[in-house]
Amino acid sequence: QVQLVQSGAEVKKPGASVKVSCKASGYTFTSYYMHWVRQAPGQGLEWMGIINPSGGSTTYAQKFLGRVTMTSDTSTSTVYMELSSLRSEDTAVYYCARGAVVPANLAYWGQGTLVTVSS
Amino acid sequence: DIQMTQSPSSLSASVGDRVTITCRASQSISNYLNWYQQKPGKVPNLLIYAASSLQSGVPSRFSGSGSGTHFTLTISSLQPEDFATYYCQPTYSTPYTFGQGTKLEIK
Repeated sequence: QVQLVQSGAEVKKPGASVKVSCKASGYTFTSYYMHWVRQAPGQGLEWMGIINPSGGSTTYAQKFLGRVTMTSDTSTSTVYMELSSLRSEDTAVYYCARGAVVPANLAYWGQGTLVTVSS
Repeated sequence: DIQMTQSPSSLSASVGDRVTITCRASQSISNYLNWYQQKPGKVPNLLIYAASSLQSGVPSRFSGSGSGTHFTLTISSLQPEDFATYYCQPTYSTPYTFGQGTKLEIK
């Protein structure tokens, strides 16, 4: 069965960077796009970007351009999302989510990683 | 970028009610529209894709309709487990920005 297992919670200071991992199993890793979505406390879902694990091409939401980097490691079936220059507004649960045959259909989600930015 | 306007932002209803949630797109997106359900503390769950196709395992009381710029999610007879927040998401082109959500609460 498809599983997406994310790394654990992080606490970071403003200005720092965070790197969240998402390890995939139960399917051919390079066959499906992976998205990153975040959710601030009590807020809605915010789409951050997408990566094609086969080749590593990415598309980021404009809001995060210059601060986010998504990468993939086919040897470990893991995708990463790194967010830099953290500020308090980046406090959120970060999810990886796998596309389906239609890449934008997010049928499988990781459990989420809470990133807290606090001085 | 495509903007989605979801309404209402919150809704109170009773078990057994028929409920409709609406999303409007800032430009035509054909049928490239998904609906998700999220319960408190849980990950989102894909309900409807391509505007009207029911995701595997989703109860048939959920249905979606629409094309172009106007879309609806309907729950035909609310069950206790349906009280949650619902999001639309356009999938026509990136960015796949979610609607702001509709919180469905028990009356």
